[in-house]
Amino acid sequence: AQSVTQLGSHVSVSEGALVLLRCNYSSSVPPYLFWYVQYPNQGLQLLLKYTSAATLVKGINGFEAEFKKSETSFHLTKPSAHMSDAAEYFCAVIIPYGNNRLAFGKGNQVVVIP
Amino acid sequence: GAGVSQSPRYKVAKRGQDVALRCDPISGHVSLFWYQQALGQGPEFLTYFQNEAQLDKSGLPSDRFFAERPEGSVSTLKIQRTQQEDSAVYLCASSSREGTYEQYFGPGTRLTVT
Repeated sequence: AQSVTQLGSHVSVSEGALVLLRCNYSSSVPPYLFWYVQYPNQGLQLLLKYTSAATLVKGINGFEAEFKKSETSFHLTKPSAHMSDAAEYFCAVIIPYGNNRLAFGKGNQVVVIP
Repeated sequence: GAGVSQSPRYKVAKRGQDVALRCDPISGHVSLFWYQQALGQGPEFLTYFQNEAQLDKSGLPSDRFFAERPEGSVSTLKIQRTQQEDSAVYLCASSSREGTYEQYFGPGTRLTVT
């Protein structure tokens, strides 16, 4: 079964600094990968997705992620953190033409320090 | 257009009570998913419908959990004889058939069992 690992439950970043959230996946077949953001008391909003096209994926709010098969990684970055980026971020994996279920990591709570 | 809606947003139940959680997917979306999100964790898959057919219920934690989608649109997740360990946020997501595997999430129902 597919799975993802996100290390470091809480991530603190200074306003204006680089945001880097790490995601490593495990899958027996080429997966599709997603990053979601969750604001307090809200559902999950899709930030970006990798579906076997370009390996560098750009999403909303200035975020991007790069799929690296050799490293089984899909790390999320943003060059300059904004206060509004404070939220919880989840990496998720799905097997195309497989079981249709998203498997999520435990999430990263991002705190932006002014 | 409207997104995925869920009701109620908050539910407090005494241990042993039955509860019913409702999900209205995006109009026209054939796939519907339920996930359970415990405090501080990522969402965990519960069950999946394609139209009215429940194709995967392997994530339901016990036979006290039951989901239905009788007309292929609105879905209800029912939990019988609630236990404290059922306390969580229950997320519903829907997806179109086009194969992007992009799931759109509702705001969730926060269930607290006392």
